[in-house]
Amino acid sequence: GAVVSQHPSWVICKSGTSVKIECRSLDFQATTMFWYRQFPKQSLMLMATSNEGSKATYEQGVEKDKFLINHASLTLSTLTVTSAHPEDSSFYICSAVEGVTEAFFGQGTRLTVV
Amino acid sequence: GNSVTQMEGPVTLSEEAFLTINCTYTATGYPSLFWYVQYPGEGLQLLLKATKADDKGSNKGFEATYRKETTSFHLEKGSVQVSDSAVYFCAHIPFTGGGNKLTFGTGTQLKVEL
Repeated sequence: GAVVSQHPSWVICKSGTSVKIECRSLDFQATTMFWYRQFPKQSLMLMATSNEGSKATYEQGVEKDKFLINHASLTLSTLTVTSAHPEDSSFYICSAVEGVTEAFFGQGTRLTVV
Repeated sequence: GNSVTQMEGPVTLSEEAFLTINCTYTATGYPSLFWYVQYPGEGLQLLLKATKADDKGSNKGFEATYRKETTSFHLEKGSVQVSDSAVYFCAHIPFTGGGNKLTFGTGTQLKVEL
């Protein structure tokens, strides 16, 4: 199957700093990428839908100024957590779409804000 | 609305036992149905899928049948192994033409012991 690479796999940052997470589709062009957040022992919560060359669509309750998403090319989307706080600590997962009914997931990024 | 409900875990089984993880859904149209697996510290991997009623998805000994009459997509495996220990997520794309916006269940943790 197609490969989606997410980087970094884990990051620790100080409160108040910003962190960028990259999501790349390695062997296909992804017109749409999704960003999810997963709390411990809970399901994935969709944060936003990212379309190449246009502004991301955020789900209700997700702060767009805090979670900046850029989808500058067909193979790369980035999520920047700005002015991170301990409550932003979570597991963030991206997925990229190929075709109509197949979504491929990155391996996830464990963010810890101290 | 569109939602996915799956049985709560954790489910603990002995090796070679039979596995069933229940999943039911609500959808406004004709959904595509998926099971994803998440191994510890990793992202999600597609396990199997079914795109229309009565289809059976299968992979690695796991099976699930799309039952429109009961709006269910239960995951089964005849003989589990320790290596099957993971969290399993039922998901759907709730309607045809809904892009690839997956809705996930809360996940069911499976623990297989010797």
